[in-house]
This record gives sequence, structure tokens and C-alpha cells, in this order.
Amino acid sequence: GQNIDQPTEMTATEGAIVQINCTYQTSGFNGLFWYQQHAGEAPTFLSYNVLDGLEEKGRFSSFLSRSKGYSYLLLKELQMKDSASYLCAVRDQRGPTGRRALTFGSGTRLQVQP
Amino acid sequence: ETGVTQSPTHLIKTRGQQVTLRCSSQSGHNTVSWYQQALGQGPQFIFQYYREEENGRGNFPPRFSGLQFPNYSSELNVNALELDDSALYLCASSFLRGAAGSLSGNTIYFGEGSWLTVV
Repeated sequence: GQNIDQPTEMTATEGAIVQINCTYQTSGFNGLFWYQQHAGEAPTFLSYNVLDGLEEKGRFSSFLSRSKGYSYLLLKELQMKDSASYLCAVRDQRGPTGRRALTFGSGTRLQVQP
Repeated sequence: ETGVTQSPTHLIKTRGQQVTLRCSSQSGHNTVSWYQQALGQGPQFIFQYYREEENGRGNFPPRFSGLQFPNYSSELNVNALELDDSALYLCASSFLRGAAGSLSGNTIYFGEGSWLTVV
């Protein structure tokens, strides 16, 4: 089965740095995704990790350790518009055809304060 | 703008009715997955379509069914609607390769979703 854990809520200050952690236990692994979701909107793709290490993309970075079943999303120079839910998702690989579905955590609601 | 379009954006149905939701995948993508997202939760995988066939299914009953068309667009049908079916339904577009869809890229894009309210 799949189990993904991330904190429910976090608060940070504008201009600061915040790290959102995600731990997972999955029966198969074919990559880890981070999505941003503003209230009432669809998830927006942020990052993808399939190998261990850090992927950097502007103000956002994502790290993966497959041996530890651990990832984090790092947001730098926080802006008010970064207030949103951040979803960690693992893509699985199951059976001869490969299901390739995403299993999501419940999301971390980030509140950026002035 | 992901290029994945869904319709309708909002709809209200009565318990026991049937609903059809539609999704057009991003150009160049051949795989469509459907997810259900209840308020305050992460999306839950319903099923995936690749080459017009169901390529995997989550823990949803048979009254949730789907189709994929030759142009890779897709439909999600839900029969005998229940109050708990009220949710945001998301379509995700991606690209798989190979006879068994065994090779995949890192781009999975979501449409804006269809908000379903069952009363």
C-alpha cells in the first residue's frame, strides 16, 4: 500500500525560508512530485524528483532521499502569493502494465504572514 | 495554463442521478487519469486510461466508469450518485510510452477540475 505524511499546517513570514517535509512508504516508486494548490483551484506542478538529491527551480527546491523515504520542498524569499496548500505525491509502478498513478498526501496548508 | 481542459466547471446533481464529466488532454499527451478531491484532502486516484483502455484503478466502486477516445480525450461517468460523491474531480494528462505504458516522463498536468455537488 501507499502512505504519505506531511504536516497539516505551517506558518511563515514574508521574505523568509520554509521547508515542507514529506515522508512516504510505498510498494513501488517511480518519482515524487510536488504540487501547489490555491484554494478552489487545480494543483499546479512545481517539481519532480526520481533520483536522490536536490532539484532547484528558482525560489523552489525539492530534495529526495529514496533510502529514507523522505522529501522536502524548500521555498525561499517567501511572498504572500505563496500562501497555498502544497501536495506531495508519489508515482507508483504496479503490475505488468504499470499503473503510474499518483498517491497524494493530504497537503500542507502554508500561511505566509506580513 | 496547462492545456488540460475540463467541463463542466460546476454542477449540481440529485442523489441517485448520473453524471458525465469530460476532459481534453494536453497536446502530445496520450494518458488521462481521474482523481477525486474532497474538501481538505489530497486527490484520490480513481482510474487511468491509456490507449483507450483502463490501465489501472483505485479503490472506487464500479459505478465510477470511464472512457478514452481516439483523440485521447476522456469521460468520467458516475452512476447512482451519493452525497459523498460531492467533490472536485480532477483530470490529469501525461505521456506514457511502450506497449504496456511502461516508460513515463515527469510531466503530469491537471485541468481546472469539475466541482460536483450532490444534494
